[in-house]
Amino acid sequence: QVQLRESGPGLVKPSQTLSLTCTVSGGSISNGGHYWSWVRQYPGKGLEWIGYIFYSASPYYNPSLRSRLTISVDTSKNQISLNLTSVTAADTAVYYCARVPGPTDGLDVWGQGTMVIVSS
Amino acid sequence: EIVLTQSPGFQSVTPKEKVTITCRASESIGRTLHWYQQKPGQSPKLLIKYASQSISGVPSRFSGSGSGTDFTLTINSLEAEDAATYYCHQSSSFPLTFGGGTKVEIK
Repeated sequence: QVQLRESGPGLVKPSQTLSLTCTVSGGSISNGGHYWSWVRQYPGKGLEWIGYIFYSASPYYNPSLRSRLTISVDTSKNQISLNLTSVTAADTAVYYCARVPGPTDGLDVWGQGTMVIVSS
Repeated sequence: EIVLTQSPGFQSVTPKEKVTITCRASESIGRTLHWYQQKPGQSPKLLIKYASQSISGVPSRFSGSGSGTDFTLTINSLEAEDAATYYCHQSSSFPLTFGGGTKVEIK
């Protein structure tokens, strides 16, 4: 059974870069034709799709974040990474990684999420 | 960007009642609409995919319907464990988007 686990610093200073890693266990990132997505949830509720990636293709980004965002895959470590530059308090959220079976499928496996606070 | 509008935003329901949550898309998305359940402190869980397709392990009291711009999630005979926030999500076009959520409280 595939499991996802996000990791990274819980506190980031404004203007710095947020770096998160999602480690996939129980299956290989490069097998199965799955996409791997990042989603964030603001305090209070709303969900925002950040982007997703297929291991051998270019990622798809939310246009609202594209200028600051990089999503990449490390197949040797079975990890997906997220880097978000020039963060502000508006980037404070719980960050989730999730599996997407196909390009238009629902997100069928989620990590437990990691809270990131942007504050000096 | 496709905007998904859920209603109601909050619903307080007695056990065994039927719950209906609607999700309206700002433009037609076919059936590329998915529903999630999120309980406090947990990650979202996929309940229904492609508007009406069931997910293995999800109780049969959860069902979905609709196409185009109007979609419905129905919970037949609500149980206490169904207290959660429910979200719709479209995968028709980028950026993918989510509805604002419907919180279901048990009376």
